[in-house]
Amino acid sequence: AQRVTQPEKLLSVFKGAPVELKCNYSYSGSPELFWYVQYSRQRLQLLLRHISRESIKGFTADLNKGETSFHLKKPFAQEEDSAMYYCALREYSSASKIIFGSGTRLSIRP
Amino acid sequence: GAVVSQHPSWVICKSGTSVKIECRSLDFQATTMFWYRQFPKQSLMLMATSNEGSKATYEQGVEKDKFLINHASLTLSTLTVTSAHPEDSSFYICSASLGNAALVYEQYFGPGTRLTVT
Repeated sequence: AQRVTQPEKLLSVFKGAPVELKCNYSYSGSPELFWYVQYSRQRLQLLLRHISRESIKGFTADLNKGETSFHLKKPFAQEEDSAMYYCALREYSSASKIIFGSGTRLSIRP
Repeated sequence: GAVVSQHPSWVICKSGTSVKIECRSLDFQATTMFWYRQFPKQSLMLMATSNEGSKATYEQGVEKDKFLINHASLTLSTLTVTSAHPEDSSFYICSASLGNAALVYEQYFGPGTRLTVT
């Protein structure tokens, strides 16, 4: 079954501390992995995708096929990072549906 | 670029009535649009996939006769909640897929529509 698991509903860290939001997936095909972010009272927006291998707002995520994980990391958290983060996947390079994880609320304490 | 709008942003209707929600891609043509439902503090649950000019594909457990989807043009998809009941109260979000030469198939999300059925 296709599934995205985010084990933490809430993650609270101090400003300047490292952040890691966990994401594990199960998928029988060749998946494309994403992280989406939803800031307070704003629409869902793409943060990064694994095929881009880029760092957005200081966040990175590496696809580990062996561990079927796609954890989101940032070395030094900032207050503006407080938001809801969703890990998601879909069939690689297709217009097919995206499957979302349950989301993790990241709260950065000053 | 790649902006998706939804109308209305918030609607209250009486139980038993129908309500239509519009999703528009403002500056691009979307061959595929998706409709999601989001309960408070929960994730997005895909309801259906809509391709322009063809019938929508509904996810398991979603009643197609209750949630009517029409994708008449490359810039507009509508979701009609028929005979609404209080349990249909939710946040409905659409997304539009932009396919380009790089086959990126980026999905852009609308701001959502909050439906309250009284």
